[in-house]
Amino acid sequence: DTGVSQDPRHKITKRGQNVTFRCDPISEHNRLYWYRQTLGQGPEFLTYFQNEAQLEKSRLLSDRFSAERPKGSFSTLEIQRTEQGDSAMYLCASSSTGGINTEAFFGQGTRLTVV
Amino acid sequence: DAKTTQPNSMESNEEEPVHLPCNHSTISGTDYIHWYRQLPSQGPEYVIHGLTSNVNNRMASLAIAEDRKSSTLILHRATLRDAAVYYCILRDDPNTGTASKLTFGTGTRLQVTL
Repeated sequence: DTGVSQDPRHKITKRGQNVTFRCDPISEHNRLYWYRQTLGQGPEFLTYFQNEAQLEKSRLLSDRFSAERPKGSFSTLEIQRTEQGDSAMYLCASSSTGGINTEAFFGQGTRLTVV
Repeated sequence: DAKTTQPNSMESNEEEPVHLPCNHSTISGTDYIHWYRQLPSQGPEYVIHGLTSNVNNRMASLAIAEDRKSSTLILHRATLRDAAVYYCILRDDPNTGTASKLTFGTGTRLQVTL
C-alpha cells in the first residue's frame, strides 16, 4: 500500500464550474476525513466517514459541497458552482479504529485554484 | 474540542535538541495529546501521541505535565528535514469517543538553521 492518494494534485477551474476530487485511503482503514487548508492556516475539518456512513459534517460544508464514500473505500468531494473563496488545498486522511494504531494518515492534497 | 496554545514560531540550530511547548489547560480526562507535523507542500504526518505518561518513538519524545495541562514535544537532534509546522492537538479516544476528528490550530513553525 502506498498510503493515501488524492487525484488530481492540482486543479484550476473557472468560477461557477463544478469540480470533483477523489481520495483513495489506505485499504484497511475504515475512517476517511476531508479537510481544507488555506495559506498560513492549519487544516480545517470538513467531514468524515466511517465505512460508507457520513458521521459528521462541519458548518464549513455548505450546500455546494457534497462528499460520498459509496462502498466504504474511495471517496469523492464535489464542489458545485465554485467560488474564488473555495481556492484552497483539499486534504484527505484515513485511519482505522480498534487497536493502538489509530493515527490519521494524510494524502498530499489537491490544490484548487478558482479563477 | 478543547483548545491548545502554541508559539507561532521557533528556531533551532541543526544537531541541537528542540523543545516545542503546548498548553492545553482545559483538557478533559479522556483527551489524548497528539502531535502532527506538516512539511512544506505535504499533508500533515503523525509524530506521536500520549495520554498521561511520557512517550518515546523513533521520531520524537512527548513529555506530559503531571496535571496534563501542558506538554512538550522533544526532537532530540534537529535536522534541516525537521523544518515544518508542528501541531499539538487534543483528540478523544478514537476507539470509543465520538469526536474522532483532529482539530488543528495554527501550530508552531520550526525553522532549523545550520
